[in-house]
Amino acid sequence: GDSVTQMEGPVTLSEEAFLTINCTYTATGYPSLFWYVQYPGEGLQLLLKATKADDKGSNKGFEATYRKETTSFHLEKGSVQVSDSAVYFCAPRGGSQGNLIFGKGTKLSVKP
Amino acid sequence: KAGVTQTPRYLIKTRGQQVTLSCSPISGHRSVSWYQQTPGQGLQFLFEYFSETQRNKGNFPGRFSGRQFSNSRSEMNVSTLELGDSALYLCASSYVGSGSPLHFGNGTRLTVT
Repeated sequence: GDSVTQMEGPVTLSEEAFLTINCTYTATGYPSLFWYVQYPGEGLQLLLKATKADDKGSNKGFEATYRKETTSFHLEKGSVQVSDSAVYFCAPRGGSQGNLIFGKGTKLSVKP
Repeated sequence: KAGVTQTPRYLIKTRGQQVTLSCSPISGHRSVSWYQQTPGQGLQFLFEYFSETQRNKGNFPGRFSGRQFSNSRSEMNVSTLELGDSALYLCASSYVGSGSPLHFGNGTRLTVT
């Protein structure tokens, strides 16, 4: 079935450091790809999305590009802030199952 | 637009009891999905409803069930609760189509003692 693999956390960075969280997926068909963020005690918030190959999703300084040839959707941010501390989830949707498939999440801690 | 609303926010039940969780989707969204989140298993898909019909179902036992009403509001029910059912249950709503993002509520934290 469809699946997604995210880099294991936790990831600890200093403020203004560069962030990359790797995500690769397996899916039949042509899924849409999403990144979600979860702050402590809250539900998931949509961070960005891409629906076709080479699309770049972006929001709040975060970016990710839909790479069909490598089945990847890596999340990047040039300069992280303390307020970016959260758990990040990569999730394809569509393919054989239709529902969102979540990775295990990557916990990011940003120190001042 | 109001977001996805889940009630109650917290719930404590004992083993063997049953529980019903409620979800009100964003206005205009007709698809509602439910997920279970635990530290060990992460986010696992329970089921999805559209137009009062279950469209998709995850790998959970029959003790987990759900339904959707004509106004798109949804409920999920867990019968004969087990300790392992302790989790954060998240509801999400969306428009139909794989390109439509899911919008999540803040969840119901269920503790089974």
